[in-house]
Amino acid sequence: KNQVEQSPQSLIILEGKNCTLQCNYTVSPFSNLRWYKQDTGRGPVSLTIMTFSENTKSNGRYTATLDADTKQSSLHITASQLSDSASYICVVSPNTGTYKYIFGTGTRLKVLA
Amino acid sequence: DTGVSQDPRHKITKRGQNVTFRCDPISEHNRLYWYRQTLGQGPEFLTYFQNEAQLEKSRLLSDRFSAERPKGSFSTLEIQRTEQGDSAMYLCASSLVIAEQFFGPGTRLTVL
Repeated sequence: KNQVEQSPQSLIILEGKNCTLQCNYTVSPFSNLRWYKQDTGRGPVSLTIMTFSENTKSNGRYTATLDADTKQSSLHITASQLSDSASYICVVSPNTGTYKYIFGTGTRLKVLA
Repeated sequence: DTGVSQDPRHKITKRGQNVTFRCDPISEHNRLYWYRQTLGQGPEFLTYFQNEAQLEKSRLLSDRFSAERPKGSFSTLEIQRTEQGDSAMYLCASSLVIAEQFFGPGTRLTVL
């Protein structure tokens, strides 16, 4: 069964600190992996997208990495801000050209002042 | 705003009532998706349209749920005889043929 698992389930950090969120997947064959940010009560917004041949992708203070061999991805947030408080969802597309996303359950990040 | 829009943003209803939600996709996006998201979970796929054709429905979409996209533009999702278990965020997304899905802000449904 294709699955996407994320850890930790929740995380609390102080403003200005860095953090790393993890995503492990069993989806195969694999097309691409996305990280979404979802503010409370809002829809998900895309942060990064990586194909299986890419190892890293940055979007400002967000850097995603991908190891297609071990089927692991991480999202690193640098110099966190209060506005980073949100859920971060890892999403995998199993086949090229498919619309079917497989969503992780997300990591809820809380940044404290 | 040229993003995906959904209406209403919040809906509170009593058990047994019918509700209808609307989604307006990004113009020229021919694909439209409905998802349901409960607290602490990722979105779950409900149904998918390509233009006006509904090409796939999840088993989550019971016979109380119906979705339409009559002119290949906006879409509606209707839930009949609502149950407390229907309480969730209902997300709509749209995309071009093979491209990233852009999500709307969602409709939060509370069934009392």
